[in-house]
Amino acid sequence: EIVMTQSPATLSVSPGERATLSCRASQSVSISLAWYQQKPGQAPRLLIYGASTRATGIPARFSGSGSGTEFTLTISSLQSEDFAIYYCQQYHNSPLTFGGGTKVEIK
Amino acid sequence: EVQLVESGGIVVRPGGSLRLSCAASGFTFDDYTMHWVRQVPGKGLEWVSLITWNGGRTSFADSVKGRFTISRDNNKNSLDLQMNSLRTEDTAFYYCAKDSRSNWGYFDYWGQGTLVTVSS
Repeated sequence: EIVMTQSPATLSVSPGERATLSCRASQSVSISLAWYQQKPGQAPRLLIYGASTRATGIPARFSGSGSGTEFTLTISSLQSEDFAIYYCQQYHNSPLTFGGGTKVEIK
Repeated sequence: EVQLVESGGIVVRPGGSLRLSCAASGFTFDDYTMHWVRQVPGKGLEWVSLITWNGGRTSFADSVKGRFTISRDNNKNSLDLQMNSLRTEDTAFYYCAKDSRSNWGYFDYWGQGTLVTVSS
């Protein structure tokens, strides 16, 4: 099983600032990496797939990068609606696995 | 518009059984793999099971293997999860999720979830 590790667990950021979230895989997943956003009481929403491709309707302030074992989700200028928990997920191998999440909170 | 609506979540005793269902609409259901993903309240996401577009392949997380089965009815655009020998650690929100592909990949649409509580 590929273990996905996200850091930090919590990120405190002021509105308008940049947020950088990390995701590491225990072995290479190539670019088979997705990012999701989850707000309280809601289902997760797909943000990024293929490590760097934004899903339909996702604002350009969200960007993904990386390949192999190291990945980054960057939110260029945090808006109020971006405060949420973010999860990475690998789909290179079964079982499909998620990281533990990074909570982005208001500083 | 893609819609996934789960149902069937209730309170059940340890050792009991439960069947969850997911009604899908807004896309060509039999073109895609479908999944169940669960989340213990306040915790992270755990993939549970998948079934490919024609039901030809199923796969399960080790934590549920041998206890859960997954099935789909492409004529009714529905997905089911049969859960047997339930344990307290199976307590979670269960989400139905659509795969982006006909084999398996990432989850491009999710339902709102249904809560399963396993408790005596």
